Amino acid sequence: DVKVTQSSRYLVKRTGEKVFLECVQDMDHENMFWYRQDPGLGLRLIYFSYDVKMKEKGDIPEGYSVSREKKERFSLILESASTNQTSMYLCASSTLSQGFQETQYFGPGTRLLVL
Amino acid sequence: QKEVEQNSGPLSVPEGAIASLNCTYSDRVSQSFFWYRQYSGKSPELIMSIYSNGDKEDGRFTAQLNKASQYVSLLIRDSQPSDSATYLCAVGSGGYNKLIFGAGTRLAVHP
Repeated sequence: DVKVTQSSRYLVKRTGEKVFLECVQDMDHENMFWYRQDPGLGLRLIYFSYDVKMKEKGDIPEGYSVSREKKERFSLILESASTNQTSMYLCASSTLSQGFQETQYFGPGTRLLVL
Repeated sequence: QKEVEQNSGPLSVPEGAIASLNCTYSDRVSQSFFWYRQYSGKSPELIMSIYSNGDKEDGRFTAQLNKASQYVSLLIRDSQPSDSATYLCAVGSGGYNKLIFGAGTRLAVHP
């Protein structure tokens, strides 16, 4: 079974703090993704990575950065947390596409509250 | 902007009935389609994937794809209260295995 884990289930941070969210997958997947999910807006892609040290912006990258130093680990960084970054953050991974898009497998999510 | 549209619901069905969930998408070249189930406070989990026109059945679930009309649907037969969740439609988009997700349809199955 694919297993994707995230470092925290719940986090409370203050405005202006630097926040690190970590994601680890154990299936040797090439692709990793970070989404945020807000009521009524669905999942929105923040950043993704298709290889070690490679990253691409998603639809809403502003205020975020990412790091992928090892294949199994993908970190999301909020450089200076703001209240509008309060959300559920979901990490996902997938194998390399063989023509069709492959299934993405999700971690349990991190619910972040920025005060 | 590529879009995936779903009715937000709630869709309320009695136990034992068929629940029908629909999704339309804007990108004509999409080739991969997924249905995820998400319980409240949990992360999405895959129910089914479908790549070809027609029906695909897995237990009580049937996914239907019509690329000409750009819609994909999910039928749940013999609905159970445990099926009460939000169902997300996801559509493949471009390279790097990216998916575009709909906002989800909330299904409520009442005894």
